[in-house]
Amino acid sequence: ILNVEQSPQSLHVQEGDSTNFTCSFPSSNFYALHWYRWETAKSPEALFVMTLNGDEKKKGRISATLNTKEGYSYLYIKGSQPEDSATYLCAFSGGSNYKLTFGKGTLLTVNP
Amino acid sequence: SAVISQKPSRDICQRGTSLTIQCQVDSQVTMMFWYRQQPGQSLTLIATANQGSEATYESGFVIDKFPISRPNLTFSTLTVSNMSPEDSSIYLCSAGTGGNTIYFGEGSWLTVV
Repeated sequence: ILNVEQSPQSLHVQEGDSTNFTCSFPSSNFYALHWYRWETAKSPEALFVMTLNGDEKKKGRISATLNTKEGYSYLYIKGSQPEDSATYLCAFSGGSNYKLTFGKGTLLTVNP
Repeated sequence: SAVISQKPSRDICQRGTSLTIQCQVDSQVTMMFWYRQQPGQSLTLIATANQGSEATYESGFVIDKFPISRPNLTFSTLTVSNMSPEDSSIYLCSAGTGGNTIYFGEGSWLTVV
């Protein structure tokens, strides 16, 4: 059974704060690590797909890093805004890119 | 990219009944999948919907409970059969276009009473 763990489970920050979350995943048979942003009643939005050890990706104020040897990824949000409030999911794929094993997510609330 | 539409978006069903969820993609896709998220749990893969053949189910999921169709490259259905309160979940359709990104629909929120 593949285990993908995310921490913290939830997080409350003030507008303007920077924050980060952790995703840990199996370090063997790695293919890709996916980050999604999921707002209630909307589709999970793909943020990043990371495949190479040491990868760093950035999209606006959001960035992510990947360490496949030790099995973790960090997601960073710089200068959080209320519209960043959502659940952030990470998902591991091993062997096959298309079958994803998800963590339970980190629920971020940004207070104005 | 792919835009995925699901219906119904939400439903309340009586136990013992069945519900079919439809998934429509705006372009031809290589792979389609069905996931569910039970309350407090992770998104979990139910099965891969194979075009023109039987779906491939993950451990713990069976065809009699979750029959799936995929008649073409843009459409799939998932039926939740003989529902019980434990089937109350969000059911999501997803698709891969051949690149690394997997796209998701908005989900179908199902409550069984």
